[in-house]
Amino acid sequence: GAVVSQHPSRVICKSGTSVKIECRSLDFQATTMFWYRQFPKQSLMLMATSNEGSKATYEQGVEKDKFLINHASLTLSTLTVTSAHPEDSSFYICSAARGGSYNEQFFGPGTRLTVL
Amino acid sequence: LAKTTQPISMDSYEGQEVNITCSHNNIATNDYITWYQQFPSQGPRFIIQGYKTKVTNEVASLFIPADRKSSTLSLPRVSLSDTAVYYCLVGETGANNLFFGTGTRLTVIP
Repeated sequence: GAVVSQHPSRVICKSGTSVKIECRSLDFQATTMFWYRQFPKQSLMLMATSNEGSKATYEQGVEKDKFLINHASLTLSTLTVTSAHPEDSSFYICSAARGGSYNEQFFGPGTRLTVL
Repeated sequence: LAKTTQPISMDSYEGQEVNITCSHNNIATNDYITWYQQFPSQGPRFIIQGYKTKVTNEVASLFIPADRKSSTLSLPRVSLSDTAVYYCLVGETGANNLFFGTGTRLTVIP
């Protein structure tokens, strides 16, 4: 099956610092990757869509200068939370689509970010 | 994206069959229906996907009536490990963004 990994799985940082989260498709090439955020007891909310080699498309209300996304290759997308604040503490999940005739997305295990 | 409506929560005893129904009245012609399972602090896991009629795999069955305005996920003989949140999504998946609704929190009771 298709596997998506995320690193780190958990990170704690001080307010004002930047944190980078990696999302990798391990056994397939992902033409498109997605970044979601999930607060406790709530559903997943799409933050942005990342296409390899082009700028990410952000959902309304998501600050592109705060949440930097880079999709440098067909197997790697990164999300950098810049100048993190306690309200950015959340569970960040990425997903990857294989494209072509495949009609499903595969999700990473998530990254728990805690900003002190 | 078609909006979905699911029950917020359900309880079931171990060994019973569980049916979770999802309403999607505005489903479009090209939309698929996909169900995901999510455990706490984990990413969603694909369960099953269908377009019409019935789909069955080793984990679940998906029933879709002819008008496709609803769908029912059927989990046979649930166990405690099936306690999770189940999301019904409608859309052209794959390279398109998915909209997660509230999901259904299933609690399996011993």
